Amino acid sequence: GAVVSQHPSRVICKSGTSVKIECRSLDFQATTMFWYRQFPKQSLMLMATSNEGSKATYEQGVEKDKFLINHASLTLSTLTVTSAHPEDSSFYICSAAGQGALGNTIYFGEGSWLTVV
Amino acid sequence: SQQGEEDPQALSIQEGENATMNCSYKTSINNLQWYRQNSGRGLVHLILIRSNEREKHSGRLRVTLDTSKKSSSLLITASRAADTASYFCATALGGYQKVTFGTGTKLQVIP
Repeated sequence: GAVVSQHPSRVICKSGTSVKIECRSLDFQATTMFWYRQFPKQSLMLMATSNEGSKATYEQGVEKDKFLINHASLTLSTLTVTSAHPEDSSFYICSAAGQGALGNTIYFGEGSWLTVV
Repeated sequence: SQQGEEDPQALSIQEGENATMNCSYKTSINNLQWYRQNSGRGLVHLILIRSNEREKHSGRLRVTLDTSKKSSSLLITASRAADTASYFCATALGGYQKVTFGTGTKLQVIP
């Protein structure tokens, strides 16, 4: 079935640096991918919709200059956290729509833990 | 903001018992999905129910949907310790499957 891969699964970076998280659809093409953020013991908050070949659509309150999204191909979207600060430490998850056994279904990556020190 | 709210926020049961979680949402939907998340891990898709469906089964899972009340329930029968996880309902709007999540129910199944 369709699989979404995220990399890295865990990353630690210094405050002020930038870090990139990749989201790949492994055996299907995804014109649209989604990025979520999850704080400990909380639900997932949609950050932005990543559109292949065009600009991402950000949810209200999400800084587009802070969280850069690039959807350069039909199988890859990247989220770059720029000038990271400790408050950016979180669990980031991507998803992509694909055809599965249940029809059009959303598949989620395994998530990426970001720790900013 | 969250589209859905789950009830209860936390549930602790004995192995073998049934677990019921409820989800209420705010706007019209195309479909509603339930996901499971083990602590610190990604999401696992459990079941999808379309807006024109009322009930759906998958193994030990039973999902109902009441669009007039904007609510859904997830029943896990004969629970196992391995069912311990957080469960989220998620609703999809539009053709691009933009999914927004409820607040989640943390289920603990005691062996």
